[in-house]
Amino acid sequence: RKEVEQDPGPFNVPEGATVAFNCTYSNSASQSFFWYRQDCRKEPKLLMSVYSSGNEDGRFTAQLNRASQYISLLIRDSKLSDSATYLCVVTKPDTGRRALTFGSGTRLQVQP
Amino acid sequence: GAVVSQHPSWVICKSGTSVKIECRSLDFQATTMFWYRQFPKQSLMLMATSNEGSKATYEQGVEKDKFLINHASLTLSTLTVTSAHPEDSSFYICSARASGDGTDTQYFGPGTRLTVL
Repeated sequence: RKEVEQDPGPFNVPEGATVAFNCTYSNSASQSFFWYRQDCRKEPKLLMSVYSSGNEDGRFTAQLNRASQYISLLIRDSKLSDSATYLCVVTKPDTGRRALTFGSGTRLQVQP
Repeated sequence: GAVVSQHPSWVICKSGTSVKIECRSLDFQATTMFWYRQFPKQSLMLMATSNEGSKATYEQGVEKDKFLINHASLTLSTLTVTSAHPEDSSFYICSARASGDGTDTQYFGPGTRLTVL
């Protein structure tokens, strides 16, 4: 089983749509959670951290369910510029190094 | 703030040569830097953790004698791919975590695309 699993997509949605991505992680000892976005042939860029209480940043809302080891990202009012691959990321449990484990990403294509 | 640079951004080399990639934190100090590799249509895979002033910690399956890491200062880590072969062709990305930062946030460099002929 992969440490972090995501639906690869692609998700093709029209502008203005609401889209949700899900992610599951295998190690219950993981402590920090993030969503990154990666554009084609570019480095990942931090989109937002994910907190147990859920958090929102503009059109983006992230949720964490520790009991189910499940993370979600909701994007409202999709823009063309949201087209990218969204990476679910968790810290490795050996917290001394606090290294990151990446999911394989979910590709989003927002269409005009 | 929190800018990480990498040099070179791309490199093409012949099989058997060695290639050095630099990763610099430009506006913050980084006790720990990380090196990742990404093959086409795959996710980032952690290769090693680079610690300033000490030996790097390599992930299982990553040859430490082939991928030499040096973290000589709080703002610079280098990855040297020794005797590169075509199967080493990949996108190499470094990241850094700010010293004293209580979070696990990592800032990524723009990556280095290596092609070995």
